[in-house]
Amino acid sequence: EAQVTQNPRYLITVTGKKLTVTCSQNMNHEYMSWYRQDPGLGLRQIYYSMNVEVTDKGDVPEGYKVSRKEKRNFPLILESPSPNQTSLYFCASSLLLAGGEETQYFGPGTRLLVL
Amino acid sequence: GQQLNQSPQSMFIQEGEDVSMNCTSSSIFNTWLWYKQDPGEGPVLLIALYKAGELTSNGRLTAQFGITRKDSFLNISASIPSDVGIYFCAGPRTSGTYKYIFGTGTRLKVLA
Repeated sequence: EAQVTQNPRYLITVTGKKLTVTCSQNMNHEYMSWYRQDPGLGLRQIYYSMNVEVTDKGDVPEGYKVSRKEKRNFPLILESPSPNQTSLYFCASSLLLAGGEETQYFGPGTRLLVL
Repeated sequence: GQQLNQSPQSMFIQEGEDVSMNCTSSSIFNTWLWYKQDPGEGPVLLIALYKAGELTSNGRLTAQFGITRKDSFLNISASIPSDVGIYFCAGPRTSGTYKYIFGTGTRLKVLA
């Protein structure tokens, strides 16, 4: 089954304690991305990756890091989490099809609370 | 900067009614994407539009790419309870890139 998986699904942590949210896809997609969703703001892109070792900033990259050492994995790293990073996080992956269609598959989300 | 404004923000409708929502931008988009997010889940792509004026259907859903390239519309015909959720428009900030911007969403609630 084609899917994007995220772990953990729920996380409560304290300010300053480094954490990593993992994301994995089994569709051999080149493109992967991280978003955060906050009430009234929709989804905002944090970072994205076009392929292994190729990453770039989205709209709200401050306080986050990513790495793309393997095609299937795209972890999101919060080196020193702060309360304003409390949010719902989504990972997504996509394959650009021959006709130009883009189907971006989203993971189930990770709800993070930073105290 | 670029923003995508969705209207309405939320709506209650009766089952069986048709629904219309739109998405507008201050700048031109070359691709419009419409997603639906069910409660507790990630967004799912409904329709993708690539040409100005394009009209595309997916079952009871129909979306249009505005002629000005600054807007897009989504219509749902004969709504049913499972249509409840949040509908997002989205597009790449720069054509040919994967720097996506999402609208703030239209929350749809269907009364049986």
